[in-house]
Amino acid sequence: AQKITQTQPGMFVQEKEAVTLDCTYDTSDPSYGLFWYKQPSSGEMIFLIYQGSYDQQNATEGRYSLNFQKARKSANLVISASQLGDSAMYFCAMREEGAQKLVFGQGTRLTINP
Amino acid sequence: DTAVSQTPKYLVTQMGNDKSIKCEQNLGHDTMYWYKQDSKKFLKIMFSYNNKELIINETVPNRFSPKSPDKAHLNLHINSLELGDSAVYFCASSQLAGLAKNIQYFGAGTRLSVL
Repeated sequence: AQKITQTQPGMFVQEKEAVTLDCTYDTSDPSYGLFWYKQPSSGEMIFLIYQGSYDQQNATEGRYSLNFQKARKSANLVISASQLGDSAMYFCAMREEGAQKLVFGQGTRLTINP
Repeated sequence: DTAVSQTPKYLVTQMGNDKSIKCEQNLGHDTMYWYKQDSKKFLKIMFSYNNKELIINETVPNRFSPKSPDKAHLNLHINSLELGDSAVYFCASSQLAGLAKNIQYFGAGTRLSVL
């Protein structure tokens, strides 16, 4: 069964520093996708970045990049040059090929300090 | 123009009442979902519809009944509300396609409080 684990309930980072949010996963399916979502205090869920299990390169989207280590089953989100507006809950999620549902981790609350 | 819109944003009601949450997407997607986020922020799939047909039903009590009049709409009706139903309910949509194109886009959520 697919499972996502985010071991950091909370992270505190100084503005302009880079931050890494951890995510490990478990699946027996060789084909799967990994997703990161941001949930600010206003409550909406915002898609950030996607990584496919067969992708050769790590995904990047602006200041977001995904450190994908397939053998270790980890898909950490890296945010470069953090900004105050990055303060939010961050969720890692996975979808196996052929399945329609996303399975989410517990989330990490990131706080950026000025 | 909001891609996935849910109404209402807030819903406060008494135990035992029946209520509905509406969801509409203008992305042209085939598939829509309902997720529940509990007080600890944990998100879990409830239902998924593809082109008006139910494809996922994750052991949700039958007091919850989704209805999809067309592929752009997925409503959630809840009968006999209980205290434990208090949560944030998210609607989402995606294409029914391979993984890379199956990004799910979420609505802003409906915060349901049962008193």
